[in-house]
Amino acid sequence: NAGVTQTPKFQVLKTGQSMTLQCAQDMNHNSMYWYRQDPGMGLRLIYYSASEGTTDKGEVPNGYNVSRLNKREFSLRLESAAPSQTSVYFCASSLGTENIQYFGAGTRLSVL
Amino acid sequence: GNSVTQMEGPVTLSEEAFLTINCTYTATGYPSLFWYVQYPGEGLQLLLKATKADDKGSNKGFEATYRKETTSFHLEKGSVQVSDSAVYFCALNWGQFYFGTGTSLTVIP
Repeated sequence: NAGVTQTPKFQVLKTGQSMTLQCAQDMNHNSMYWYRQDPGMGLRLIYYSASEGTTDKGEVPNGYNVSRLNKREFSLRLESAAPSQTSVYFCASSLGTENIQYFGAGTRLSVL
Repeated sequence: GNSVTQMEGPVTLSEEAFLTINCTYTATGYPSLFWYVQYPGEGLQLLLKATKADDKGSNKGFEATYRKETTSFHLEKGSVQVSDSAVYFCALNWGQFYFGTGTSLTVIP
């Protein structure tokens, strides 16, 4: 049972570089989410997609873009990485926005 | 607005000790409440949940009771094990999820 799969697991970028974090779920969930986790700040919602074809900003969307490619996949793009984006990024999915969220294992990103 | 406040960590306990991690919430409606656990190097996993007032969620020896009068959902376990060492997140769902900042627990033999 794969659940929620994130790639890559680790990444180091230089300031100004771009990259895309990939997320896929195989649970036929409608809703998907991107969070960042920083020490002492818990989880903060970056963007979410309540259903295929829709995306909405969360608490900390600046510097990020997302694409809900299809029902299974939801990617997060950093167009010009900054050191402040050094964090652990988690993707999650749920049947609907009111349902239990299931999380991937995370991507650890360092921006130098 | 909606928010969750949980006790500051880190918490260090000896094996077989009693655990309480406090969680209080603020909500504009009647949310569902959750505890998630994050083991080192992994994503969050649902530990237990409660959907209405006075409900008790339980799993793996952990319990939490939805207290509307005190807006609380404290996590308890009677006898912790080394394998319970993890970060615990309290969360509410009222249309979307709101997570607390997490409480790190270390259990020493």
